[in-house]
Amino acid sequence: NAGVMQNPRHLVRRRGQEARLRCSPMKGHSHVYWYRQLPEEGLKFMVYLQKENIIDESGMPKERFSAEFPKEGPSILRIQQVVRGDSAAYFCASSPPNRRQETQYFGPGTRLLVL
Amino acid sequence: AQTVTQSQPEMSVQEAETVTLSCTYDTSESDYYLFWYKQPPSRQMILVIRQEAYKQQNATENRFSVNFQKAAKSFSLKISDSQLGDAAMYFCAYRGMYSGGGADGLTFGKGTHLIIQP
Repeated sequence: NAGVMQNPRHLVRRRGQEARLRCSPMKGHSHVYWYRQLPEEGLKFMVYLQKENIIDESGMPKERFSAEFPKEGPSILRIQQVVRGDSAAYFCASSPPNRRQETQYFGPGTRLLVL
Repeated sequence: AQTVTQSQPEMSVQEAETVTLSCTYDTSESDYYLFWYKQPPSRQMILVIRQEAYKQQNATENRFSVNFQKAAKSFSLKISDSQLGDAAMYFCAYRGMYSGGGADGLTFGKGTHLIIQP
């Protein structure tokens, strides 16, 4: 059973460009969570999605950041007009449906570097 | 808002010895979940152990066990017979039972860097 997949693993962007990060949840999981980890910090929750629905985006910056989880395909975290402060590791996690108490399983992360 | 505090930025232990990592949290909820995750140099987040607050029995997974003190809001991780492969950052995390306002996500501490001395 494949784990949570994220791609790309490393992404380099220049200031002002767009970054697109992809996450495919574990088989049978329909809940996806995105987290950001700054250097020397723990992970910070950004957004929680189910298929075609954003459930909780209280951790997302108000501007330039958006997330989606379409009916088909992976979840996408999009960062428009990136700035140096966006450089971080972005982790995706997934959990099974209708089981809110279930553990979240993490992908390997995408390391974003903004030049 | 819930907070998770790990007061030990770094811990060192001799191989085969036992080490305890501390974690305290602040919450007004009575039901919640606590987790320890390990992040080795590869930076993959790996679940080590989880505890449901309504369970009085401390969780155990092979060499890993927790000391859950609900009244004190303390959740420490004990690693027995430490191995070189245990070297990593260890993060304590909290998740409440209710939705919204960020409660669906895990709240993490800042981590403890565990060094294993051969």
